[in-house]
Amino acid sequence: EVQLLESGGGLVQPGGSLRLSCVVSGFTFSNYAMSWVRQAPGKGLEWVSAISGSGGSTYYADSVKGRFTISRDNSKNTLYLQMNSLRVEDAAVYYCAKDLLENRSCSSTSCYDFDYWGQGTLVTVSS
Amino acid sequence: SYVLTQPPSVSVAPGQTASITCGGNNIGYRTVNWYQQKPGQAPVLVVYDDRDRPSGIPERVSGSNSGNTATLTISRVEAGDEADYYCQVWHGSSDHVVFGGGTKLTVL
Repeated sequence: EVQLLESGGGLVQPGGSLRLSCVVSGFTFSNYAMSWVRQAPGKGLEWVSAISGSGGSTYYADSVKGRFTISRDNSKNTLYLQMNSLRVEDAAVYYCAKDLLENRSCSSTSCYDFDYWGQGTLVTVSS
Repeated sequence: SYVLTQPPSVSVAPGQTASITCGGNNIGYRTVNWYQQKPGQAPVLVVYDDRDRPSGIPERVSGSNSGNTATLTISRVEAGDEADYYCQVWHGSSDHVVFGGGTKLTVL
């Protein structure tokens, strides 16, 4: 059974940092790209970042580029999101999500569909 | 940046057909995925690659994509279909995943 379990959320002041983790099981972690997707209270889904199975390729939304860093430790079946210089608008539930296809090769028009999601971890940014 | 436009809400009576649209410039050239999200729960993939269904998703859920509009169709709507639905694509020019704003499906 595929499972994704996020942790690391909490209350942080503006300008502060947090590191989110997502521990997975039930599939060969290193063969799948992973993403972080967030959802502010009462709002829609917003993609944050993605990383290839090897960790060699990373992608970021413009809203977090330069502040957030995605990484993974395939030996620990764990995905990370280091969040620095946090802003009030970063407050959201953060989900980790698994790509559908194993060892996917992206094209310009097709890449990343998310077949499994964690339950989410809440990040609150407030003074 | 690439923008996906969804109607904020769609209402349908039980047993009828619900169509949720997702508009984007030449979206027909991209593969579109759809997610269902119920309150307090994580999203669930219901359609991928325009029209394919993951295991466990009923056949009355279908997708299509052409021109500037992708559509999620739910036939014989049930109360349990009431949820928010999001379309999603990959924008290779910017290396970004893009979600639509979401559509709240209400079953009357």
